[in-house]
Amino acid sequence: NAGVTQTPKFQVLKTGQSMTLQCAQDMNHEYMSWYRQDPGMGLRLIHYSVGAGITDQGEVPNGYNVSRSTTEDFPLRLLSAAPSQTSVYFCASSKDPRPSNQPQHFGDGTRLSIL
Amino acid sequence: SQQGEEDPQALSIQEGENATMNCSYKTSINNLQWYRQNSGRGLVHLILIRSNEREKHSGRLRVTLDTSKKSSSLLITASRAADTASYFCATALSGGSNYKLTFGKGTLLTVNP
Repeated sequence: NAGVTQTPKFQVLKTGQSMTLQCAQDMNHEYMSWYRQDPGMGLRLIHYSVGAGITDQGEVPNGYNVSRSTTEDFPLRLLSAAPSQTSVYFCASSKDPRPSNQPQHFGDGTRLSIL
Repeated sequence: SQQGEEDPQALSIQEGENATMNCSYKTSINNLQWYRQNSGRGLVHLILIRSNEREKHSGRLRVTLDTSKKSSSLLITASRAADTASYFCATALSGGSNYKLTFGKGTLLTVNP
């Protein structure tokens, strides 16, 4: 049982490049979410999904796209990377679509640097 | 905007001492959760307390919730060096907007051997 798997663990991009951060869970969880963590800012919600085919915006969605074609996968896309998107990105999931009702399972993060 | 805020921002104690950290939030919530994050790792869930509960225990952890003051505290008793980590509270608004779980900025706990 792998839990929540994020790939890659580290990535360096140049401004303007695009990339996709992968998140996969093998627990049949309905709810999945993406956060970014910056020094002194805690975790901020980017996008979330309450099930396959359903996504919505969080607190800081600008510059990011998501899709949820399967229950297992929830990729995060940066269409045109900017230095302000340098951060550590975390994916989380839970069975209950209301995340306050259940513990969230987190991946180990993707550390992204944009030059 | 962040719903919960932890206090203090940083706490340094000796092994064997107790550590208390607090979380304040702004609006009505259903439940409140506490998480731990070791350096370079993802967050790990510690405990969930429901809005109709006042206190909850799990091993060396004791969490209290005061909905009238919109605050919660996490007490770690008999701390160990392995407890060194950042601790976060997480809440979601009660009612229809509780698909969004928001985290505070965290308390960095250092337990010195």
